[in-house]
Amino acid sequence: QKEVEQNSGPLSVPEGAIASLNCTYSDRGSQSFFWYRQYSGKSPELIMSIYSNGDKEDGRFTAQLNKASQYVSLLIRDSQPSDSATYLCAVDPNQAGTALIFGKGTTLSVSS
Amino acid sequence: NAGVTQTPKFQVLKTGQSMTLQCAQDMNHNSMYWYRQDPGMGLRLIYYSASEGTTDKGEVPNGYNVSRLNKREFSLRLESAAPSQTSVYFCATTHGQIGTDTQYFGPGTRLTVL
Repeated sequence: QKEVEQNSGPLSVPEGAIASLNCTYSDRGSQSFFWYRQYSGKSPELIMSIYSNGDKEDGRFTAQLNKASQYVSLLIRDSQPSDSATYLCAVDPNQAGTALIFGKGTTLSVSS
Repeated sequence: NAGVTQTPKFQVLKTGQSMTLQCAQDMNHNSMYWYRQDPGMGLRLIYYSASEGTTDKGEVPNGYNVSRLNKREFSLRLESAAPSQTSVYFCATTHGQIGTDTQYFGPGTRLTVL
């Protein structure tokens, strides 16, 4: 059974701090990795995708991928109360014709 | 451009009743998915369709049926609803190869089975 693991949290950080969200996956052959944000009562929306080892930055968000260690992380700089949400990690299943595998999500709370 | 739409937004059923959840997309995407989301369980895949005319079971298909009516529409049917099917249901789509490309989600249907 292929797995994607996330700490459920809640992760609490003060406004302006860096929030670090982590995700590990079981299949070494996975190539595509995604971070989704889900506000309470809403649907998941894509924040970042990453395919190569290293860092990928988009505004206040940085995705980090380490395929050798099988983990992917999301850093949120200058965290804002509006960043309070559940963050879902998704990984390709390394099996043609099957869907992304989602972690259960980490809840982030940013206090002002 | 509405993206992915789902109807209804809310529904209350009695045990044993049937209903169909509708999903439509105007993104010209090939692949479509149905998920359910329960507290503490994350997103669980019910069924998916890689293209018009094809459907495959996901992680939790029991009690559900699907129809890929055309490229735009993918419906989920509960033939005899049970309280265990109380959940939030999301439809999603992918443009590229299934499992490798970004998924776009609809707004969800909140279903309660009494």
